[in-house]
Amino acid sequence: QQKVQQSPESLIVPEGGMASLNCTSSDRNVDYFWWYRQHSGKSPKMLMSIFSNGEKEEGRFTVHLNKASLHTSLHIRDSQPSDSALYLCAAGANYGNEKITFGAGTKLTIKP
Amino acid sequence: DTTVKQNPRYKLARVGKPVNLICSQTMNHDTMYWYQKKPNQAPKLLLFYYDKILNREADTFEKFQSSRPNNSFCSLYIGSAGLEYSAMYLCASSRGQISNERLFFGHGTKLSVL
Repeated sequence: QQKVQQSPESLIVPEGGMASLNCTSSDRNVDYFWWYRQHSGKSPKMLMSIFSNGEKEEGRFTVHLNKASLHTSLHIRDSQPSDSALYLCAAGANYGNEKITFGAGTKLTIKP
Repeated sequence: DTTVKQNPRYKLARVGKPVNLICSQTMNHDTMYWYQKKPNQAPKLLLFYYDKILNREADTFEKFQSSRPNNSFCSLYIGSAGLEYSAMYLCASSRGQISNERLFFGHGTKLSVL
């Protein structure tokens, strides 16, 4: 069964700093990666998706994907206290019975 | 409206008693999912409905039932709750049944079994 590993488990970054989160899948059939963000007491919401090798930038958020190593990373520059949240990585694979598998998440805390 | 609603927000159940959790969405999504999330663990897919077709994960096949009377509603049913069922239950929906579609989540139902 596919596993999605995230690191680190928790991360503290000073306000204005760069936060870097990592995610790797163990399944070579994986084609799609997402990053979801869950603020405390709220529902997870999709932050970014990446399906092709390379880099994708949206504002302060940049996501990288290396399909050969099944590794994706999320980078948040100029981190703000409002970025404090649980970040969940998800991977999708086409088995015919498609489903999306999540990692356990990285708890990010931005210190003012 | 991109809302997925779950009821109740909190649920207290006794060991051995049944539990029924409700989820609704108004986005006309084809697929609805139930995930179980325990602290410091990944959300675990329990089952999903694509239209009227129910797919249950092999390792939780006998523990959870579900029904989808119409496109908007989906329930999760536990016939006899055990302590190990204490968790957050997240409902989600997506268009289609393909794994490149984003999920829309509800706030979750926190189930405590005593």
